[in-house]
Amino acid sequence: NAGVTQTPKFRILKIGQSMTLQCAQDMNHNYMYWYRQDPGMGLKLIYYSVGAGITDKGEVPNGYNVSRSTTEDFPLRLELAAPSQTSVYFCASSLFRGAYEQYFGPGTRLTVT
Amino acid sequence: TQLLEQSPQFLSIQEGENLTVYCNSSSVFSSLQWYRQEPGEGPVLLVTVVTGGEVKKLKRLTFQFGDARKDSSLHITAAQPGDTGLYLCAGTSGSRLTFGEGTQLTVNP
Repeated sequence: NAGVTQTPKFRILKIGQSMTLQCAQDMNHNYMYWYRQDPGMGLKLIYYSVGAGITDKGEVPNGYNVSRSTTEDFPLRLELAAPSQTSVYFCASSLFRGAYEQYFGPGTRLTVT
Repeated sequence: TQLLEQSPQFLSIQEGENLTVYCNSSSVFSSLQWYRQEPGEGPVLLVTVVTGGEVKKLKRLTFQFGDARKDSSLHITAAQPGDTGLYLCAGTSGSRLTFGEGTQLTVNP
Protein backbone atom coordinates (compact mmCIF):
# COMPACT_ATOMS: atom_id res chain seq x y z
CA ASN A 1 0.00 0.00 0.00
CA ALA A 2 1.22 3.48 -0.88
CA GLY A 3 -0.98 5.06 1.81
CA VAL A 4 -1.71 8.74 1.12
CA THR A 5 0.10 10.25 -1.84
CA GLN A 6 0.28 13.92 -2.80
CA THR A 7 1.52 15.67 -5.92
CA PRO A 8 3.34 17.87 -6.58
CA LYS A 9 5.85 18.01 -3.73
CA PHE A 10 6.83 21.60 -4.45
CA ARG A 11 5.26 24.37 -6.53
CA ILE A 12 5.80 28.06 -7.11
CA LEU A 13 2.82 30.06 -8.38
CA LYS A 14 2.44 33.65 -9.46
CA ILE A 15 -0.33 35.74 -7.92
CA GLY A 16 -3.61 35.08 -9.70
CA GLN A 17 -2.62 31.70 -11.15
CA SER A 18 -4.63 28.55 -10.50
CA MET A 19 -3.60 25.02 -9.65
CA THR A 20 -4.87 21.73 -8.31
CA LEU A 21 -3.15 19.82 -5.54
CA GLN A 22 -3.69 16.11 -5.98
CA CYS A 23 -4.33 13.64 -3.18
CA ALA A 24 -5.02 9.93 -3.39
CA GLN A 25 -5.31 7.13 -0.86
CA ASP A 26 -5.42 3.37 -1.42
CA MET A 27 -6.69 2.32 2.02
CA ASN A 28 -10.39 2.54 1.13
CA HIS A 29 -10.91 5.23 3.76
CA ASN A 30 -14.19 7.10 3.78
CA TYR A 31 -12.89 10.28 5.43
CA MET A 32 -10.42 12.61 3.76
CA TYR A 33 -9.09 15.99 4.85
CA TRP A 34 -7.05 18.92 3.60
CA TYR A 35 -4.95 20.93 6.04
CA ARG A 36 -2.52 23.81 5.70
CA GLN A 37 0.44 24.31 8.01
CA ASP A 38 2.11 27.69 8.29
CA PRO A 39 5.58 28.08 9.87
CA GLY A 40 5.47 27.64 13.64
CA MET A 41 1.79 26.80 13.54
CA GLY A 42 -0.32 23.72 13.86
CA LEU A 43 -2.54 22.37 11.11
CA LYS A 44 -5.66 24.23 10.06
CA LEU A 45 -8.49 22.29 8.42
CA ILE A 46 -9.45 23.64 4.99
CA TYR A 47 -12.04 21.11 3.77
CA TYR A 48 -13.02 17.58 4.56
CA SER A 49 -15.10 14.81 3.03
CA VAL A 50 -17.03 11.99 4.67
CA GLY A 51 -17.43 10.03 1.46
CA ALA A 52 -17.63 10.26 -2.30
CA GLY A 53 -19.83 13.17 -3.35
CA ILE A 54 -19.89 14.77 0.13
CA THR A 55 -17.63 17.65 1.15
CA ASP A 56 -17.77 20.29 3.87
CA LYS A 57 -15.88 23.39 4.92
CA GLY A 58 -13.31 23.42 7.68
CA GLU A 59 -11.81 26.35 9.56
CA VAL A 60 -10.15 28.16 6.63
CA PRO A 61 -11.98 27.34 3.36
CA ASN A 62 -11.81 30.76 1.65
CA GLY A 63 -9.86 30.71 -1.62
CA TYR A 64 -10.10 26.92 -2.01
CA ASN A 65 -12.44 24.38 -3.55
CA VAL A 66 -12.61 20.60 -3.39
CA SER A 67 -14.40 17.72 -5.03
CA ARG A 68 -14.72 14.04 -4.16
CA SER A 69 -15.89 12.05 -7.15
CA THR A 70 -14.28 8.79 -5.97
CA THR A 71 -13.35 7.25 -2.62
CA GLU A 72 -9.67 7.37 -3.56
CA ASP A 73 -9.17 10.96 -4.75
CA PHE A 74 -9.66 14.32 -3.06
CA PRO A 75 -8.14 17.18 -5.10
CA LEU A 76 -7.81 20.71 -3.71
CA ARG A 77 -8.23 23.61 -6.14
CA LEU A 78 -6.76 27.10 -5.75
CA GLU A 79 -8.49 29.41 -8.24
CA LEU A 80 -6.71 32.77 -7.79
CA ALA A 81 -3.52 32.24 -5.86
CA ALA A 82 -2.61 34.87 -3.27
CA PRO A 83 0.57 35.28 -1.18
CA SER A 84 -1.48 34.39 1.93
CA GLN A 85 -1.83 30.89 0.49
CA THR A 86 1.90 30.26 0.75
CA SER A 87 2.00 27.25 3.05
CA VAL A 88 2.56 23.51 3.29
CA TYR A 89 -0.56 21.55 2.42
CA PHE A 90 -1.27 18.13 3.88
CA CYS A 91 -3.90 15.65 2.80
CA ALA A 92 -5.05 13.01 5.28
CA SER A 93 -7.50 10.14 5.44
CA SER A 94 -9.12 8.03 8.13
CA LEU A 95 -11.28 4.93 8.16
CA PHE A 96 -13.89 6.30 10.54
CA ARG A 97 -14.65 9.60 12.18
CA GLY A 98 -13.67 10.63 15.66
CA ALA A 99 -10.85 9.03 17.61
CA TYR A 100 -9.39 7.17 14.69
CA GLU A 101 -5.92 7.68 13.32
CA GLN A 102 -5.57 10.11 10.47
CA TYR A 103 -2.92 9.07 7.95
CA PHE A 104 -1.10 11.99 6.39
CA GLY A 105 0.54 12.42 3.03
CA PRO A 106 4.05 13.90 2.69
CA GLY A 107 2.77 17.39 1.94
CA THR A 108 2.95 19.94 -0.88
CA ARG A 109 5.05 23.05 -0.28
CA LEU A 110 3.43 25.94 -2.15
CA THR A 111 4.90 29.39 -2.61
CA VAL A 112 2.87 32.22 -4.16
CA THR A 113 4.90 35.24 -5.31
CA THR B 1 -14.05 27.58 17.90
CA GLN B 2 -12.22 25.04 20.00
CA LEU B 3 -8.62 25.98 20.73
CA LEU B 4 -5.75 23.87 21.95
CA GLU B 5 -2.75 25.61 23.46
CA GLN B 6 0.56 23.79 23.68
CA SER B 7 3.46 24.72 25.89
CA PRO B 8 6.29 25.22 25.61
CA GLN B 9 6.44 26.22 21.96
CA PHE B 10 10.15 25.40 21.74
CA LEU B 11 12.26 23.12 23.91
CA SER B 12 15.98 22.38 23.56
CA ILE B 13 17.46 19.88 25.99
CA GLN B 14 20.45 17.58 26.40
CA GLU B 15 20.32 13.86 25.82
CA GLY B 16 19.24 12.01 28.95
CA GLU B 17 17.06 14.78 30.37
CA ASN B 18 13.35 14.41 31.09
CA LEU B 19 10.69 16.77 29.72
CA THR B 20 6.96 17.39 29.75
CA VAL B 21 4.85 19.01 27.05
CA TYR B 22 1.40 20.35 27.87
CA CYS B 23 -1.77 20.67 25.82
CA ASN B 24 -4.62 22.72 27.30
CA SER B 25 -8.08 23.79 26.25
CA SER B 26 -11.22 25.31 27.72
CA SER B 27 -13.26 22.85 25.65
CA VAL B 28 -14.03 19.21 26.31
CA PHE B 29 -12.89 16.75 23.67
CA SER B 30 -14.19 13.25 23.12
CA SER B 31 -10.60 12.10 22.68
CA LEU B 32 -7.14 13.52 22.25
CA GLN B 33 -4.35 12.44 19.99
CA TRP B 34 -0.62 13.11 19.97
CA TYR B 35 1.27 13.21 16.69
CA ARG B 36 4.96 13.56 15.91
CA GLN B 37 6.13 15.29 12.75
CA GLU B 38 9.61 15.23 11.26
CA PRO B 39 10.86 17.85 8.75
CA GLY B 40 9.45 17.36 5.26
CA GLU B 41 6.93 14.75 6.36
CA GLY B 42 3.35 14.58 7.52
CA PRO B 43 2.41 13.97 11.17
CA VAL B 44 2.38 10.39 12.44
CA LEU B 45 0.07 9.27 15.24
CA LEU B 46 1.74 8.33 18.54
CA VAL B 47 -1.28 7.68 20.75
CA THR B 48 -4.98 8.31 21.27
CA VAL B 49 -6.42 8.83 24.76
CA VAL B 50 -10.16 8.57 25.21
CA THR B 51 -11.07 8.27 28.89
CA GLY B 52 -10.64 11.09 31.42
CA GLY B 53 -7.64 10.32 33.63
CA GLU B 54 -6.28 7.77 31.18
CA VAL B 55 -2.52 7.16 31.12
CA LYS B 56 -0.79 5.43 28.23
CA LYS B 57 2.87 4.50 27.92
CA LEU B 58 4.85 4.06 24.74
CA LYS B 59 8.38 3.03 25.70
CA ARG B 60 9.89 6.21 27.22
CA LEU B 61 6.82 8.33 26.42
CA THR B 62 3.94 8.70 28.90
CA PHE B 63 0.69 10.34 27.84
CA GLN B 64 -2.04 11.48 30.21
CA PHE B 65 -5.56 12.75 29.51
CA GLY B 66 -6.98 15.13 32.10
CA ASP B 67 -9.89 14.02 34.25
CA ALA B 68 -12.17 16.62 32.64
CA ARG B 69 -10.92 15.71 29.13
CA LYS B 70 -9.79 19.30 28.50
CA ASP B 71 -6.04 18.84 28.76
CA SER B 72 -3.25 16.36 28.19
CA SER B 73 0.46 15.97 28.81
CA LEU B 74 3.31 14.14 27.18
CA HIS B 75 6.29 13.17 29.33
CA ILE B 76 9.51 11.86 27.83
CA THR B 77 12.02 10.12 30.07
CA ALA B 78 15.72 10.12 29.22
CA ALA B 79 15.28 11.95 25.92
CA GLN B 80 17.36 10.85 22.95
CA PRO B 81 18.37 12.73 19.76
CA GLY B 82 15.92 10.52 17.86
CA ASP B 83 13.08 12.13 19.82
CA THR B 84 13.73 15.43 18.03
CA GLY B 85 10.67 16.62 16.14
CA LEU B 86 7.46 18.63 16.27
CA TYR B 87 4.94 17.22 18.72
CA LEU B 88 1.31 18.07 18.01
CA CYS B 89 -1.73 17.44 20.15
CA ALA B 90 -5.12 17.23 18.48
CA GLY B 91 -8.58 17.11 20.01
CA THR B 92 -11.36 15.12 18.44
CA SER B 93 -14.83 16.56 18.00
CA GLY B 94 -17.16 14.83 15.59
CA SER B 95 -15.42 14.27 12.28
CA ARG B 96 -12.71 16.85 12.89
CA LEU B 97 -9.39 17.15 14.60
CA THR B 98 -8.41 20.50 16.12
CA PHE B 99 -4.63 20.80 16.30
CA GLY B 100 -2.49 22.68 18.75
CA GLU B 101 0.36 24.79 17.40
CA GLY B 102 2.95 22.21 18.33
CA THR B 103 6.05 21.93 20.48
CA GLN B 104 9.35 21.85 18.61
CA LEU B 105 11.65 19.56 20.58
CA THR B 106 15.40 19.41 19.97
CA VAL B 107 17.47 16.86 21.86
CA ASN B 108 21.18 17.59 21.65
CA PRO B 109 23.69 14.73 21.89
